[in-house]
Amino acid sequence: DIQMTQSPSTLSASVGDRVTITCRASQSISSWLAWYQQKPGKAPKLLIYKASSLESGVPSRFSGSGSGTEFTLTISSLQPDDFATYYCQQYNSYSPLTWTFGQGTKVEIK
Amino acid sequence: QVQLVQSGAEVKKPGASVKVSCKASGYTFTSYGISWVRQAPGQGLEWMGWISAYNGNTNYAQKLQGRVTMTTDTSTSTAYMELRSLRSDDTAVYYCVRAGVGVKYGPWGQGTLVTVSS
Repeated sequence: DIQMTQSPSTLSASVGDRVTITCRASQSISSWLAWYQQKPGKAPKLLIYKASSLESGVPSRFSGSGSGTEFTLTISSLQPDDFATYYCQQYNSYSPLTWTFGQGTKVEIK
Repeated sequence: QVQLVQSGAEVKKPGASVKVSCKASGYTFTSYGISWVRQAPGQGLEWMGWISAYNGNTNYAQKLQGRVTMTTDTSTSTAYMELRSLRSDDTAVYYCVRAGVGVKYGPWGQGTLVTVSS
């Protein structure tokens, strides 16, 4: 099974900071990676799919990059609404689907 | 609009079974699959498995093999997830997610809290 390792687990930052979260796969997953944002009591929200494609309606301060085994989610200028937990997810592009989530990164107010 | 609506919260005793439903609307049900994801209190997201609404093919997380069964009823556009032999560490919010092959995933259902307690 493919394992996904996110770092850091917790990140303290201030409004306006540039924030980067890393996700590493235990083997190459090409660009089959998504990023989600989750706030307490809510379902996760898709931000990025296929490593770097921005989901419709998501602010352009969010961006994703990487391929193979190393991926990053960058928030160019952290906004108050961005304090949340972020998860990466690997997936395959054929049936049957298989997913694996990273353990999450909590972005806290510094 | 595309929507997934899940059944309500459940309280179960250890050893019992639970069956959570996920009713889809706003799209052709058989054109996508449904994944199930759970989240224990204060913990991360755990993928449980996937079912094709087209042909019923399934793929379960190895950890849950033998305890979980996912089914669909195409006549009502509803997906089901049954988990048996419940333990306290099965206490979690359970989500269904529309999951087609090779397409973006979503939306997510609103979540169903399953509490396992004696």
